[in-house]
Amino acid sequence: AQSVAQPEDQVNVAEGNPLTVKCTYSVSGNPYLFWYVQYPNRGLQFLLKYITGDNLVKGSYGFEAEFNKSQTSFHLKKPSALVSDSALYFCAVRDGDSGAGSYQLTFGKGTKLSVIP
Amino acid sequence: DTGVSQDPRHKITKRGQNVTFRCDPISEHNRLYWYRQTLGQGPEFLTYFQNEAQLEKSRLLSDRFSAERPKGSFSTLEIQRTEQGDSAMYLCASSLVGQRTGQFFGPGTRLTVL
Repeated sequence: AQSVAQPEDQVNVAEGNPLTVKCTYSVSGNPYLFWYVQYPNRGLQFLLKYITGDNLVKGSYGFEAEFNKSQTSFHLKKPSALVSDSALYFCAVRDGDSGAGSYQLTFGKGTKLSVIP
Repeated sequence: DTGVSQDPRHKITKRGQNVTFRCDPISEHNRLYWYRQTLGQGPEFLTYFQNEAQLEKSRLLSDRFSAERPKGSFSTLEIQRTEQGDSAMYLCASSLVGQRTGQFFGPGTRLTVL
């Protein structure tokens, strides 16, 4: 079984400050990790992924995430937050060793990010 | 717009009625997924197709739910004898075999069962 934990329901940060949204995961095989963002009344938008390679992954809109295998974490970061970054952020995991088996993504419950002007 | 599209965007129905949703994936994508999202939760996997074959179904997918992808292009999700607990956002996503990219999601269909 695979699972994702996002320990913070809400993160508040001042505009211009760095932000971090936390994610830890559990998966039996190699983790494929993803971050998605959801704006009100919109579908999920893909931000970035980690499959293999560099532990620091860069994605859309200036976001990046750091894969830490020993801590089973994949925290989302941005050096300088914008008010327009305010949204719901979801971390997701898939078992990369599933082969022809499951391709389902398992999502966390989401973290609401509020960037204060 | 060449993204994933879903129809309708909103559906209000009475308990006991049947509803059907449609998803059109990105045209070259051969994998198609259905998820359900309730308020305050992340999306939960329901089922997925590779081309027209339904390869995996979640235990969440009770026998009142059926999904099809008859020609390997668009897909439909039908819920029979709807219950109030079926009220949720139903999300469709697509991806391409062999590309280890994220799944691309549609805007969702919000179902309200009265």
